[in-house]
Amino acid sequence: DTAVSQTPKYLVTQMGNDKSIKCEQNLGHDTMYWYKQDSKKFLKIMFSYNNKELIINETVPNRFSPKSPDKAHLNLHINSLELGDSAVYFCASSPPSYEQYFGPGTRLTVT
Amino acid sequence: GEDVEQSLFLSVREGDSSVINCTYTDSSSTYLYWYKQEPGAGLQLLTYIFSNMDMKQDQRLTVLLNKKDKHLSLRIADTQTGDSAIYFCAAFGSARQLTFGSGTQLTVLP
Repeated sequence: DTAVSQTPKYLVTQMGNDKSIKCEQNLGHDTMYWYKQDSKKFLKIMFSYNNKELIINETVPNRFSPKSPDKAHLNLHINSLELGDSAVYFCASSPPSYEQYFGPGTRLTVT
Repeated sequence: GEDVEQSLFLSVREGDSSVINCTYTDSSSTYLYWYKQEPGAGLQLLTYIFSNMDMKQDQRLTVLLNKKDKHLSLRIADTQTGDSAIYFCAAFGSARQLTFGSGTQLTVLP
């Protein structure tokens, strides 16, 4: 009965590879998000997605792209991975009242 | 854009009260949140307060909001070792997104 789930929990890959992280929520929320948490624990929003409206943080490189096959899923695709992409990536979802519920995170390590 | 600031570290003795402070810059912020992150885990929503309130109590947690000064605090009564974690303040402002503070690492000493 996990509310927001992400797979994989850990991802180790080499520079230049393309990878995806999956996110699913069973809360019936309309809005989903991707965040990046760096080594200093700073959280930065990358994307929000609501009813096919995608809002992109302008600082996010276009190597990152969210894909939503349906309302319960928002996957994150990353092309041509770089060392600086190493971080923990969190998926979240929210109802119209704006509080966000986070997944457990995916720790991405690029070598 | 909005800035949300918190002090980075706080240490308290077990059984004492902890007070974690936060300031934000967007006076249009309508919702203010506190999240807890334990090591290796995601963020857990602890509590939130609407901007038209000045206090909210939920068991051991008390949130105080000074809207004039754009200051938010989280008080944890009778702090336990299990409360050791990083606490994030977040504000939902005019940009229609959550802006997080840098997090406060709370260490509870026995």
